[in-house]
Amino acid sequence: AQSVAQPEDQVNVAEGNPLTVKCTYSVSGNPYLFWYVQYPNRGLQFLLKYITGDNLVKGSYGFEAEFNKSQTSFHLKKPSALVSDSALYFCAVRDRRAAGGGNKLTFGTGTQLKVEL
Amino acid sequence: NAGVTQTPKFQVLKTGQSMTLQCAQDMNHNSMYWYRQDPGMGLRLIYYSASEGTTDKGEVPNGYNVSRLNKREFSLRLESAAPSQTSVYFCASSESPGQMIAKNIQYFGAGTRLSVL
Repeated sequence: AQSVAQPEDQVNVAEGNPLTVKCTYSVSGNPYLFWYVQYPNRGLQFLLKYITGDNLVKGSYGFEAEFNKSQTSFHLKKPSALVSDSALYFCAVRDRRAAGGGNKLTFGTGTQLKVEL
Repeated sequence: NAGVTQTPKFQVLKTGQSMTLQCAQDMNHNSMYWYRQDPGMGLRLIYYSASEGTTDKGEVPNGYNVSRLNKREFSLRLESAAPSQTSVYFCASSESPGQMIAKNIQYFGAGTRLSVL
């Protein structure tokens, strides 16, 4: 079974400051990891993914995420937050060994990011 | 390019009524998914279709049925709606059900907001 934990329901940060949204995962094998963002009244949008290789993954809108296998974490980061980054962020995982059956992802419960002036 | 289109955007039902949520994608994707989003629960997979002609249960299939009408369309039916089915429903699609993770990014529709009274 695979699972994802996002320990913070909400993260508040001042514009211009760095932000971190935390995610930890559990899978039987090695993971594929994803971050999605949801703006109000919209569907989820893909931000970035980790497949293999460099532990630091860069994605859309200046976001990046760091894969840490020993800590089973995949935290989302941005060096300088913008008010427009305010949204709901979801971490998702898929076990690399999962075969067939579509690309079933397990999502975390989401973290609301609020960036204030 | 519309991507993933869901209809209707909003719906109010009375307990016991039935309805079908429609989803269509124009990206020639093989796999399609139905999720529900509830506060504090994140996204939970209801049903998915790895490829045309196949459907499988996800995490929370009870009370729902699906039809993969063709490669483009994947509908979700509530036969006898219950207040517990009040939620926001998202349809998603991805290119391939296989191991080519780069092709397995899920693309989401804007959602259907359903209230069951």
